[in-house]
Amino acid sequence: AQKITQTQPGMFVQEKEAVTLDCTYDTSDQSYGLFWYKQPSSGEMIFLIYQGSYDEQNATEGRYSLNFQKARKSANLVISASQLGDSAMYFCAMREGYSSASKIIFGSGTRLSIRP
Amino acid sequence: DAGITQSPRYKITETGRQVTLMCHQTWSHSYMFWYRQDLGHGLRLIYYSAAADITDKGEVPDGYVVSRSKTENFPLTLESATRSQTSVYFCASGSGGRQETQYFGPGTRLLVL
Repeated sequence: AQKITQTQPGMFVQEKEAVTLDCTYDTSDQSYGLFWYKQPSSGEMIFLIYQGSYDEQNATEGRYSLNFQKARKSANLVISASQLGDSAMYFCAMREGYSSASKIIFGSGTRLSIRP
Repeated sequence: DAGITQSPRYKITETGRQVTLMCHQTWSHSYMFWYRQDLGHGLRLIYYSAAADITDKGEVPDGYVVSRSKTENFPLTLESATRSQTSVYFCASGSGGRQETQYFGPGTRLLVL
C-alpha cells in the first residue's frame, strides 16, 4: 500500500536560511508522482512542485527544489533563502501513475515557522 | 468565476442532520475528488469521480454520499452528521493529463455539534 511519511511535525528556521523538509514514501509501483503543497494559515492548498518517478533531474520551481532520491524513496523539499511568507504547513503527497486521475495520498504535514 | 469553488465556506450543524457540501469547477475537468483534513492526518480521500455518473470510494467513505450528474458539480452529502465528521473538506479536480496536479478548492469548515 502507498504511504507517505513526514517525520518533522514542526520546524523553526531563521529568515534567509535554507530549509529542508523531509518526506519518505513507500510504493510498489514503478510509475508515480510526488508533490509538495503549501497550506498557509488562510487554509488553501497551493501546489508547489512536482517530480515524476522517471524524471532524471530534480525538479525546481523558483526557490523550491525537490531532492529526489529514488533508491532511498525520499523526496525532500528544499526552500532556499526562506522568507517570512514561507511560514505555513507543508504537505508531501504521492500518486501512483502519471495521471491526475489517480488518487493522491498525503503525509501528515510539517509546520514551518520562519523567524525574522 | 473561473476555477473551483466550494459552498458553503463555513457550516455549523447538529448531530443527525443531513448536510450537503457543494463543489463546482469551470475547467470541465473529468476527475473530481473530495478530501477531509483533520489534525495529524493530513488530507484523506473520501470519494472521487472519473466522469459524470462514475464515482468510487476513497480511503474514508463511511457516512458520506456523492453524486455527479453534471461534469462541473460534485456534491458531498453527510446523510446523518456525526461529531467525528467535524473537519475541513476540500474538493479538487484534475483533467487526467500527464504529470498534472489536482487543483484544490478553498475548503469548507464543518462543525457538527
